[in-house]
Amino acid sequence: NAGVTQTPKFRILKIGQSMTLQCTQDMNHNYMYWYRQDPGMGLKLIYYSVGAGITDKGEVPNGYNVSRSTTEDFPLRLELAAPSQTSVYFCASSSHRRGGVGTEAFFGQGTRLTVV
Amino acid sequence: AQSVSQHNHHVILSEAASLELGCNYSYGGTVNLFWYVQYPGQHLQLLLKYFSGDPLVKGIKGFEAEFIKSKFSFNLRKPSVQWSDTAEYFCAALPGSARQLTFGSGTQLTVLP
Repeated sequence: NAGVTQTPKFRILKIGQSMTLQCTQDMNHNYMYWYRQDPGMGLKLIYYSVGAGITDKGEVPNGYNVSRSTTEDFPLRLELAAPSQTSVYFCASSSHRRGGVGTEAFFGQGTRLTVV
Repeated sequence: AQSVSQHNHHVILSEAASLELGCNYSYGGTVNLFWYVQYPGQHLQLLLKYFSGDPLVKGIKGFEAEFIKSKFSFNLRKPSVQWSDTAEYFCAALPGSARQLTFGSGTQLTVLP
């Protein structure tokens, strides 16, 4: 009963370092999302994917990259970490079909990233 | 661009008071609507969802929401709040034709014992 699993839970990066936030889901969902959450700002969509091999930019994609080689995995890459990327990152997945039939988004536990 | 608005940023209530949190979305047509709750230090959990049918939706923990298409609204209600309802509440929308799940900025609810 894993659902959406994110790793790591916490990370401190130095400016200019790179890292990958891992996200995997075991519900066979076609949609996956990456959000960042900053105090008082709600959740901002970074990237999303509607299926393996398909990714699209969200509202705040700059400084990030993603890939979706399998249905299960949707890693988020930070190439040159900056202090502005200090945030809590959430991965989510959901299922959608034509006509709006689908599920709600299920969220991972989050990754708290600090860039110093 | 699609958007979701939550006009109450911070709501403070006493236990047993009634709650209504506002949510408005900006697009017409088919839309799926959600309310999520986030307790301190935790991830988002679904309270309730609307896909179609009865516009009055009942969720967990005594919460309900009403979809009013003419007002583009999906307000969250609870007749009597408890201290344990202290959390941040997020409204979200996924238009039927779109692929982006968009969240509002959230409402922090504080319930005083």
